[in-house]
Amino acid sequence: DAGVIQSPRHEVTEMGQEVTLRCKPISGHDYLFWYRQTMMRGLELLIYFNNNVPIDDSGMPEDRFSAKMPNASFSTLKIQPSEPRDSAVYFCASGGGVGNEQFFGPGTRLTVL
Amino acid sequence: KQEVTQIPAALSVPEGENLVLNCSFTDSAIYNLQWFRQDPGKGLTSLLLIQSSQREQTSGRLNASLDKSSGRSTLYIAASQPGDSATYLCAVWGNNRLAFGKGNQVVVIP
Repeated sequence: DAGVIQSPRHEVTEMGQEVTLRCKPISGHDYLFWYRQTMMRGLELLIYFNNNVPIDDSGMPEDRFSAKMPNASFSTLKIQPSEPRDSAVYFCASGGGVGNEQFFGPGTRLTVL
Repeated sequence: KQEVTQIPAALSVPEGENLVLNCSFTDSAIYNLQWFRQDPGKGLTSLLLIQSSQREQTSGRLNASLDKSSGRSTLYIAASQPGDSATYLCAVWGNNRLAFGKGNQVVVIP
């Protein structure tokens, strides 16, 4: 397996633009997680899915953020409109269950100017 | 809310010395604890996973211990090498989410 795949690896955009981050989890994993990492706050869980259903989105900062998982092999995290404070590295991870080992993608480095 | 702390934030050791990294957490009701390694500009690589019923896990030069009652875990890296230079993060599964510490940034000096 190629591991968790994320795209794009880098994204630079201007404030107010829509940003869409993509993730392909490891085949067979039922859980998918979206995280954000910044120097100030470290790694924060934004949302996670079980069998394509959002289970906990309490970490999503505000209504500008939305996430979907239309099928078991694809998820998106969308920010609309983007703001400079959204600049961070966004990671997607997948795992076999609550409490199981998690495997991370390489991340998307987002810069909002 | 689970709080995970890793101190010190950064440390340097000479090559060959054993590394000892500490992680503490506030809520002992955890499923498990996972140690990760992160290289600059890269994602996280899972190193060890300790279930709540276990006291330790070993993989090669790495050994991680878990003391739930005191809310602590320790990661030992034997005979450190320059390639061990990275940030090491501790994460605990509890309350249906994984809570991360901010990491120990390690530099192994040749």
